[in-house]
Amino acid sequence: QKEVEQNSGPLSVPEGAIASLNCTYSDRGSQSFFWYRQYSGKSPELIMSIYSNGDKEDGRFTAQLNKASQYVSLLIRDSQPSDSATYLCAVPYSGGGADGLTFGKGTHLIIQP
Amino acid sequence: NAGVMQNPRHLVRRRGQEARLRCSPMKGHSHVYWYRQLPEEGLKFMVYLQKENIIDESGMPKERFSAEFPKEGPSILRIQQVVRGDSAAYFCASSPSRVEETQYFGPGTRLLVL
Repeated sequence: QKEVEQNSGPLSVPEGAIASLNCTYSDRGSQSFFWYRQYSGKSPELIMSIYSNGDKEDGRFTAQLNKASQYVSLLIRDSQPSDSATYLCAVPYSGGGADGLTFGKGTHLIIQP
Repeated sequence: NAGVMQNPRHLVRRRGQEARLRCSPMKGHSHVYWYRQLPEEGLKFMVYLQKENIIDESGMPKERFSAEFPKEGPSILRIQQVVRGDSAAYFCASSPSRVEETQYFGPGTRLLVL
């Protein structure tokens, strides 16, 4: 079974700084990668998807993918207290196409005011 | 465009009873996924369905659990003879097609087994 690994944290970052969240995956054939944010007691909310090596930016969020190293990261610039949540990295079972997702256990991020 | 809908949001059952969880996907979405999140655990895939078909049920326990997505109406996750270990948050997600794979999650059903 595919594995997705994340540091559980908590990761504490001062307000206004850059938060860096990391994820590694076991299946070299994986093609699609997703970052979700989950507030306590709530459902996962899609933040970013990335399919190609390199960086993808969306507002304050940047996803970075390195398939050779089997590594995907999420950077959050100008961190806000409202960014405090658990961030989940996810990879489709089959590596691509509609399929069930394998999730990491998530990184708990705390933004300190 | 309404999001993924799940009901009930909270469900309390006694051991041995049946739990039925319902999920209506986003408009235009024909793929439904069910996930379970145990307390202090990560999200685990259970089953993937399209209309009238189970595509992948590899993550669903072999006993007591079943899922369906009929031609008309919501997808149903059914848990028979619930036990305390079934207490968890059950999330449904949907995606529009086999090609567009991004999944959008519903608010979840919190099941508590007494």
